[in-house]
Amino acid sequence: NAGVTQTPKFRVLKTGQSMTLLCAQDMNHEYMYWYRQDPGMGLRLIHYSVGEGTTAKGEVPDGYNVSRLKKQNFLLGLESAAPSQTSVYFCASSYADLPLHFGNGTRLTVT
Amino acid sequence: SQQGEEDPQALSIQEGENATMNCSYKTSINNLQWYRQNSGRGLVHLILIRSNEREKHSGRLRVTLDTSKKSSSLLITASRAADTASYFCATPPGGAGSYQLTFGKGTKLSVIP
Repeated sequence: NAGVTQTPKFRVLKTGQSMTLLCAQDMNHEYMYWYRQDPGMGLRLIHYSVGEGTTAKGEVPDGYNVSRLKKQNFLLGLESAAPSQTSVYFCASSYADLPLHFGNGTRLTVT
Repeated sequence: SQQGEEDPQALSIQEGENATMNCSYKTSINNLQWYRQNSGRGLVHLILIRSNEREKHSGRLRVTLDTSKKSSSLLITASRAADTASYFCATPPGGAGSYQLTFGKGTKLSVIP
């Protein structure tokens, strides 16, 4: 039982490049979330999904896109990376209002 | 915007002492959750307390909830070096079917052996 798996673990991008972060969960959870964590800011919600084929904006969605084509996967895309998107990105999943299960994060640096 | 705010931002104690962290929130809630984050890792759920509960225990952890004051506290008794981590409170927005959590900025706990 792997839980929530994020790939890649580390990535360095140049400004303007694009990339996709992958999140996979094997717990059959309906809800999936993408958060970013910056020093002194706590976790902030980027986008979330309440089921396959659905997505919604969170607190800080600008510059990101997401897709949930399969129930077990939630993809976070950066179309044109900016230095302000340097952060640690966490994916999480849950069943309704039960506790979130987190991945171990992707550390992204944009130069 | 931050729903929950933890206090203090940082706490340093000796092994064996108790650690208390507080969380204040702004709007009505259905439940409040506490998470722990070890350095370089994802968050791990500790306790969920619902709005109709006042106190909950799990091992060395004790959580209280005061909905009239919109506050919660997390007490770790007989702390160990392994408890060194950041602790976050999190709340879902009000309203049926809304489950996305808003996290505070966390309390960084250091337990000195």
